[in-house]
Amino acid sequence: KQEVTQIPAALSVPEGENLVLNCSFTDSAIYNLQWFRQDPGKGLTSLLLIQSSQREQTSGRLNASLDKSSGRSTLYIAASQPGDSATYLCAVGKGGNYQLIWGAGTKLIIKP
Amino acid sequence: GAGVSQTPSNKVTEKGKYVELRCDPISGHTALYWYRQSLGQGPEFLIYFQGTGAADDSGLPNDRFFAVRPEGSVSTLKIQRTERGDSAVYLCASSLTGGVMDEQFFGPGTRLTVL
Repeated sequence: KQEVTQIPAALSVPEGENLVLNCSFTDSAIYNLQWFRQDPGKGLTSLLLIQSSQREQTSGRLNASLDKSSGRSTLYIAASQPGDSATYLCAVGKGGNYQLIWGAGTKLIIKP
Repeated sequence: GAGVSQTPSNKVTEKGKYVELRCDPISGHTALYWYRQSLGQGPEFLIYFQGTGAADDSGLPNDRFFAVRPEGSVSTLKIQRTERGDSAVYLCASSLTGGVMDEQFFGPGTRLTVL
């Protein structure tokens, strides 16, 4: 059974710092991996989608990497801003329907 | 709007009542997913539609839960005899074809509270 873990559960850093969020999964037979952002009381916003054949994806200040063999993905956020404060979730796509299996998220707080 | 919409945004009901939650996917998206998110947890898969048919309902917790998508667009998640443990945020997502290359786009969710 696929399990997805995100560590730490919460992280608080000063504005301007670069930071890394971690995601690990137990079964390397995944089709893709997505990173999402969730703001309180709001829906999920997709940040980056990495296909299983890819090693990384970049969008603006965000860079996500994927290492299937070790069952790990990282989300790197450069020059963090208070507006980056949110919960970040990773999800792996698995199964014939590519249903997503989720981690519990990392709650990120960027202090001004 | 071009995004996924869900109604109502909040639903408070009493234990034992019946509720319906609606999802309007992005126009043209054939794949539709329902997930449930409990406080402090990641979402859990409930059911997947490809067109009008439920291609995978393995995530539905029991037979009190049912979902339909009669015309291949709007979907309704139906919960009978609600229990306090059903309280959660119910999320709907759609993707273009349900294929491996597709991103899933999420609605804002419906927060269900069962008293």
